[in-house]
Amino acid sequence: DGGITQSPKYLFRKEGQNVTLSCEQNLNHDAMYWYRQDPGQGLRLIYYSQIVNDFQKGDIAEGYSVSREKKESFPLTVTSAQKNPTAFYLCASSAETGRAYEQYFGPGTRLTVT
Amino acid sequence: KNEVEQSPQNLTAQEGEFITINCSYSVGISALHWLQQHPGGGIVSLFMLSSGKKKHGRLIATINIQEKHSSLHITASHPRDSAVYICAVRGSNYQLIWGAGTKLIIKP
Repeated sequence: DGGITQSPKYLFRKEGQNVTLSCEQNLNHDAMYWYRQDPGQGLRLIYYSQIVNDFQKGDIAEGYSVSREKKESFPLTVTSAQKNPTAFYLCASSAETGRAYEQYFGPGTRLTVT
Repeated sequence: KNEVEQSPQNLTAQEGEFITINCSYSVGISALHWLQQHPGGGIVSLFMLSSGKKKHGRLIATINIQEKHSSLHITASHPRDSAVYICAVRGSNYQLIWGAGTKLIIKP
């Protein structure tokens, strides 16, 4: 079955620690995205990647970093510079950017930083 | 003003009722998406449409490009339809512009 996996589902970290969220897709999609969702708010784009070894900042990239070394993987690191990291993080992929292709979503990772 | 506005923000209805959720947008779009987010957080894409109407089971989505408005309808609603329904539009680039979502609760 094709899809997107994110792990873990729940993640707890102490303030000041970097943490990496995993996102893997086996849909052979070129584009991948990371979104953040806070209670009562819409999704906000953190980073996106249109192709391997290339990625661009979204609307709220500060305090985050990503890599795209493989087509199927797009890990997100939440650094200690992110002022309010506690949130629900969603990874998505789509077949092609710049066209009206559907986005497929992973199950999400709920990060709690104390 | 947000570029994508959804209404209502919250909706509670009885099982069996006909549900309508609205989405208005202010930008030119190439497509509009309706998605469903379950309480656990997982998001499922329901529809992607750029004109007219689509139907899948008890769900119907319509879009009026001239009026920049879309509606999501649920017929014969059921408690398992309880979720957050999100409208998102795709403009001239790859990025989606997201509505804040409509929280739907269907009571038995």
